[in-house]
This record gives sequence, C-alpha cells and structure tokens, in this order.
Amino acid sequence: QSVLTQPPSVSAAPGQKVTISCSGSSSTIATNYVSWYQQVPGTAPKLLIYDNNERPSGIPDRFSGSKSGTSATLGITGLQTGDEANYYCGTWDSSLSPSFVFGGGTKLTVL
Amino acid sequence: QITLKESGPTLAKPTQTLTLTCTFSGFSLSTSGVGVGWIRQPPGKALEWLALIYWDDDKRYSPSLKSRLTITKDTSKNQVVLTMTNLDPVDTATYYCTHARNYGDCVDYWGQGTLVTVSS
Repeated sequence: QSVLTQPPSVSAAPGQKVTISCSGSSSTIATNYVSWYQQVPGTAPKLLIYDNNERPSGIPDRFSGSKSGTSATLGITGLQTGDEANYYCGTWDSSLSPSFVFGGGTKLTVL
Repeated sequence: QITLKESGPTLAKPTQTLTLTCTFSGFSLSTSGVGVGWIRQPPGKALEWLALIYWDDDKRYSPSLKSRLTITKDTSKNQVVLTMTNLDPVDTATYYCTHARNYGDCVDYWGQGTLVTVSS
C-alpha cells in the first residue's frame, strides 16, 4: 500500500497519447515537487520529469508533467513501442519524519 | 559524468546485518545541495525509498525501516555505506544507490543495482 496511488496499468496504441495519474495528500504532492521515473524491466529507473514539469536533458518533449492540488499527471504523446515500461511517481512526505515516497507504479503497454 | 556503483554481498542469512557500499564519481558529496541515497525493489514489486544522506551529514530514513538502517558517508573516498540489521527474507531486493539533486527533490542518477537475496 503505497503512499502515492497510481493505476496498475494503462494501454494505448502507437502514436496515441496516454496519461498516468498519481494521487497523494496534503503532506505529499500538495506541498512538494513531484518527479517521474521510467523503468524498463531488468534495468535501473531513469528520471523523466522533475520539479513537477521539468525535463532533464535528453528527455524528449513527448513526455510532460503537471500537478494540481494533491494529484500529479504524467503525459506521453506520440507513443512508441520503446515507451513500454513501468512508470513511478515520487515526492517527499513532509510528515513528522520526512521521507521520500514512491507510487506503486504503472505498467504502460503500447498495443 | 556521474556514476554510482553498489557493492556488497549477494546472499545473506536471516538475522544478519547487511552492509552495502556505494562508490561514486563525477560529483562531490561536499557540494551544497547534494545527497546520496538508497532505494530498493523486491522482485516484481515497486520501488521503496530507504535512506538519504546530505552533503552536510543530515540524514533521512524511511520511517518503517528507521530502526534497522544506518547511512554514513566518507567524502574523501567518495563512498556512502548503508547498513541494515536483522535481515528477513522480505528484504530480498535489488538495492540501488542514487544521487539526489537540489536538496533531494528528486533522484537524477541511479546505480545499476545489486540483487541481495536473504535466505537461510
């Protein structure tokens, strides 16, 4: 039971757009930056989005992030078969003992 | 460029203490705002954040594991060490060493990970 809630899976056809949601709380998403990570099975995760909507160098603009209140969203346009992976959101939990938390992950299938 | 590499045992027994070392390059852990941490992932499961140590030796731990974890740094050796006591088979996971940017707002570099199996 993760502190951040993501849908277990999403799917879409190549070329289409997909969004992945991440739901948190007043002590997590509402008051801290959200980051997103892509993990191809068998490899280490890779940073896709930081500070809610910023892309690191080398990440294509097909990937975007947004945040509103206690929720965040990752958007991917122009889906490619290479985008098939697990996606995780992450942020700080500013509770009594601050810690970083991840969502449970979303498996993206490109049909 | 920034690289991180984990080292430690691949097999451990229940009740033992696990010691993992992260050796990094491409940055200094004495630079303001920088942190090095650990994240693990049980086979087929989600990422779980464990601990983070900052350039100023401030530390953060997962509340659920805090009593079992200790994170330390050796800036001169470019190393960070994580110890986890009282191992249990549920601690079987791939353990990643990570670089945290900007006071830890996200993890921007990951090591390749090391699989630790806890079994008698």
